[in-house]
Amino acid sequence: KNEVEQSPQNLTAQEGEFITINCSYSVGISALHWLQQHPGGGIVSLFMLSSGKKKHGRLIATINIQEKHSSLHITASHPRDSAVYICAVEYGNKLVFGAGTILRVKS
Amino acid sequence: ETGVTQSPTHLIKTRGQQVTLRCSSQSGHNTVSWYQQALGQGPQFIFQYYREEENGRGNFPPRFSGLQFPNYSSELNVNALELDDSALYLCASSLGQPAYRYTFGSGTRLTVV
Repeated sequence: KNEVEQSPQNLTAQEGEFITINCSYSVGISALHWLQQHPGGGIVSLFMLSSGKKKHGRLIATINIQEKHSSLHITASHPRDSAVYICAVEYGNKLVFGAGTILRVKS
Repeated sequence: ETGVTQSPTHLIKTRGQQVTLRCSSQSGHNTVSWYQQALGQGPQFIFQYYREEENGRGNFPPRFSGLQFPNYSSELNVNALELDDSALYLCASSLGQPAYRYTFGSGTRLTVV
């Protein structure tokens, strides 16, 4: 069983839709990261969370430490949001990554 | 504040060859971690360097080795390349132990033929 599970694996949305990507983890962590990766590209850090909720523009990230669960929400989605979204947890001295969610937003 | 720079961006090597990938950490960061991301998968932890010493290693064979320099930049060396080593290699710099404030590089795409 992977230590970090993301769902869904693939997501296709229409422009303007509200999107939710979920991340569950099985170990005690010090922080959780949401990352964005465009095709062939490197990783951009979107959020780092250890509790509560953070918002940046149309992106919102929440974490529930007791339930070991985090969600990434995108409001008013746009085709430029199309990317792979990866959840990663800080576990000991390393990051453990989920497999990623492939998001495609159609216009 | 500079970000994390990786070089080269793309590389093609022949099976059995050796390769060196480079990473310049973000200013002020003293920890560098390397990850391998195979196509369609999440990144896997290779190892981490903190203050020039290896500080944790994932499930990778000894032909994957690394260095960290006094300026906290780092190299990843892979000997005896295999076809399965074809992947995106990501470097992330961070601060302290346990590490925090991760900043990621754009990666080096290695193709082994």
